[in-house]
Amino acid sequence: GQNIDQPTEMTATEGAIVQINCTYQTSGFNGLFWYQQHAGEAPTFLSYNVLDGLEEKGRFSSFLSRSKGYSYLLLKELQMKDSASYLCAVRDLDSGAGSYQLTFGKGTKLSVIP
Amino acid sequence: KAGVTQTPRYLIKTRGQQVTLSCSPISGHRSVSWYQQTPGQGLQFLFEYFSETQRNKGNFPGRFSGRQFSNSRSEMNVSTLELGDSALYLCASSSEGGSQPQHFGDGTRLSIL
Repeated sequence: GQNIDQPTEMTATEGAIVQINCTYQTSGFNGLFWYQQHAGEAPTFLSYNVLDGLEEKGRFSSFLSRSKGYSYLLLKELQMKDSASYLCAVRDLDSGAGSYQLTFGKGTKLSVIP
Repeated sequence: KAGVTQTPRYLIKTRGQQVTLSCSPISGHRSVSWYQQTPGQGLQFLFEYFSETQRNKGNFPGRFSGRQFSNSRSEMNVSTLELGDSALYLCASSSEGGSQPQHFGDGTRLSIL
């Protein structure tokens, strides 16, 4: 199975930068996804990392270190609308079934305050 | 391009009943996955279907089952409902390819009385 850990809650100030960490333990690693979920809404895709390093997409960046089983999501120039839960999800290969499975962390609830 | 559509959006049932939830994936997506989301456990994987075959299954009891049709639409069934089955059930579809993300529907909120 997999073990994915993220902080439960974080609070940050509008205009600031926040880093949300995710650690995982898995075999057959095949990529890591970050999703954003506003209360009462569906998760929406933010970023994907499969190789080590930083992926930048506007105000959002995601980093991966496969050797450390570690990723982070960096949000810059925080806006009030960024208040949401951020879900880390690890995709790994089930060699027995010959298919991939996506396992989610429990999510980090980010509150952006004025 | 229409997104993932789930019906119904809300459902109230009583213990012991059964329920069927429906999911229509994004056109062209052949993989459909189902998740249960609760405040305490987060998003938990139920199963994945691809080309009408169950390709993967999570750790849920046999009361939870699903199927996929030739047009990739999927249904999930829960029999002998229990209070603990109250949750948001999310369906996600994706196209093939390692980097392809799953796209989620708005979910069905199931309440068991």
